[in-house]
Parts: sequence; C-alpha cells; structure tokens
Amino acid sequence: SQKIEQNSEALNIQEGKTATLTCNYTNYSPAYLQWYRQDPGRGPVFLLLIRENEKEKRKERLKVTFDTTLKQSLFHITASQPADSATYLCALLPPEAAGNKLTFGGGTRVLVKP
Amino acid sequence: GAVVSQHPSRVICKSGTSVKIECRSLDFQATTMFWYRQFPKKSLMLMATSNEGSKATYEQGVEKDKFLINHASLTLSTLTVTSAHPEDSSFYICSASSRDRGSYEQYFGPGTRLTVT
Repeated sequence: SQKIEQNSEALNIQEGKTATLTCNYTNYSPAYLQWYRQDPGRGPVFLLLIRENEKEKRKERLKVTFDTTLKQSLFHITASQPADSATYLCALLPPEAAGNKLTFGGGTRVLVKP
Repeated sequence: GAVVSQHPSRVICKSGTSVKIECRSLDFQATTMFWYRQFPKKSLMLMATSNEGSKATYEQGVEKDKFLINHASLTLSTLTVTSAHPEDSSFYICSASSRDRGSYEQYFGPGTRLTVT
C-alpha cells in the first residue's frame, strides 16, 4: 500500500520568508498529488492539485513541484504571513483512481512568526 | 462554490446511544461522498466511500454495522454511529466530489467533534 511521509515536526518560520514542505511517497506514482490546508478543529481546504505529468504548479504565493523520479513533492509558501500558520496535508490519488480515494500524509504544522 | 456543510459541529452523547451526522453539498451535486475520522495530531483516515443510491464501500477494519452510511441524494449523506462508546470519540469529517467539478478534487466539510461519555 502507498505510504506517505511528511515532516511531523512543526516548521517555524519568520514572516516574509519562504516555507518549504516535503511530501515523500513510496510504491506507485500517483496520478494526482494534492495539497490541503487544515486549521485546528476544521476540515481540510483544497489548495492545489498537480498531475503526474506536471513538474510545477503555482497559485498566488503557493508553488508545488512534483518529481516522480524522487517520489517527492515540495510545497512552497513564498512571502509567508502569520495567517499562513496551519497544518498542510499532502494527499495522493492512485493511477486507477478507484473510487477517487485519497491517501493522506500526516501533515506538517507551519507557524509563521511576525 | 463547492461548499460542504456538516451538522452538528459538536455532539456529546452517552455511551450506548446512537448519533447521526449529516453532510450536505450546498451548491453542487456530489457524485461521491467520503467519510473520514481524525484523531488529535493525526492524519485523516478514510472510513468509507459512498455513491448516491448505492451501498457504501467501507475500508478494511471499519465496522459497517457500527458506522451506518446513507447517501440518499446527490446532496446529502449521513453517518450514524450506533451504540457509541468512548473509543468512538473523534473528529469526523466528510468530503464530496463531483464529476462536473473534475472528480479528483474533494471538498471537505468543517467536521463534527464527537465526544462519547
């Protein structure tokens, strides 16, 4: 089965700097890799989706890269702000997209200090 | 667009009672709905997948007789925790996807905090 690893340690970063989060997976390459934001006591919010044939995707201050050789995705928050403080989850959708079931990583908590 | 609501947001119940949680897609028709549970500082664990009008597909280790799922319409799915016990206390989150919205994006509800005393 697919195993997804995200850094379980919280990432503390100074406002204005770039936060970089890592998502590593084992086994097969997913058809889609997604990133979500989750605030305490709330459901995840979809941020970005990147397909297996895409190297990079951007949305405002967010950038996601996808390296199927390394089996890794990097998630960048540029010009970080205190409001970016949250837990960020990566999730994978298998190639067969059976039932569109996502497998989630454990998430990385980001704390942006002013 | 793509708003999913859950009700209630919090519920406390006594051991042995049943609790129903509703999940609604407010502005789109959800072809598929998913139910997750999440323990503190842990990731989301998929419990079951349901398609409108058909029986839910449960993940391994999830008791279908304990966690009853009904997906009666394209905008409503319910999860009933039957004969709840303290170990069922958790954060339950639903999500919905739609073929019209590309299928591969899931839109999550705000979650329901269940505490069984």
